[in-house]
Amino acid sequence: LAKTTQPISMDSYEGQEVNITCSHNNIATNDYITWYQQFPSQGPRFIIQGYKTKVTNEVASLFIPADRKSSTLSLPRVSLSDTAVYYCLVGDRGTSGTYKYIFGTGTRLKVLA
Amino acid sequence: EPEVTQTPSHQVTQMGQEVILRCVPISNHLYFYWYRQILGQKVEFLVSFYNNEISEKSEIFDDQFSVERPDGSNFTLKIRSTKLEDSAMYFCASRPTWSKETQYFGPGTRLLVL
Repeated sequence: LAKTTQPISMDSYEGQEVNITCSHNNIATNDYITWYQQFPSQGPRFIIQGYKTKVTNEVASLFIPADRKSSTLSLPRVSLSDTAVYYCLVGDRGTSGTYKYIFGTGTRLKVLA
Repeated sequence: EPEVTQTPSHQVTQMGQEVILRCVPISNHLYFYWYRQILGQKVEFLVSFYNNEISEKSEIFDDQFSVERPDGSNFTLKIRSTKLEDSAMYFCASRPTWSKETQYFGPGTRLLVL
């Protein structure tokens, strides 16, 4: 069964780049890695998705090494409004063939002025 | 921009009662999901649904849970006999056919079992 691990929390200052890493040791072969942002009392919101190497969109970059056992979300020049919990999401096909989605443990990012 | 909607936003129920949580997925999405999040914990997968049947479910999704798409727009989660530990935020999500993990989440229903 896949296990996803993230740092519990991180602090950063406005304008800095923030990198959050997720370890996922048994991700399903064909599955993408997705990152979500969650504000209090709201549903997770899609940030970025990738399969390998590097993906960039207007809000973030995602770095995935060749073994795909981890991924790093990079947020350039964070602002106070980026204060949230960030989750990675991976697919997992267990030994019984059951397939489900596994959210990471979540990283609480606090951006300071 | 289309959104997933959920009703009610909050529900309080007595232990042992049945509850039905409702979701309206984005209209052209064909894959639907339920997740739960116990206060202070991470989001946990419950079940996925496609073509009018369950495609995957987690060990949390036991016999007290069921899902249904009763018409062309709604997607429901029923908890037959609620327990105290069912108190959580329940999120519905849907996704388009072309993307495996780009799920769009609703705002959630906060369920409190007394």
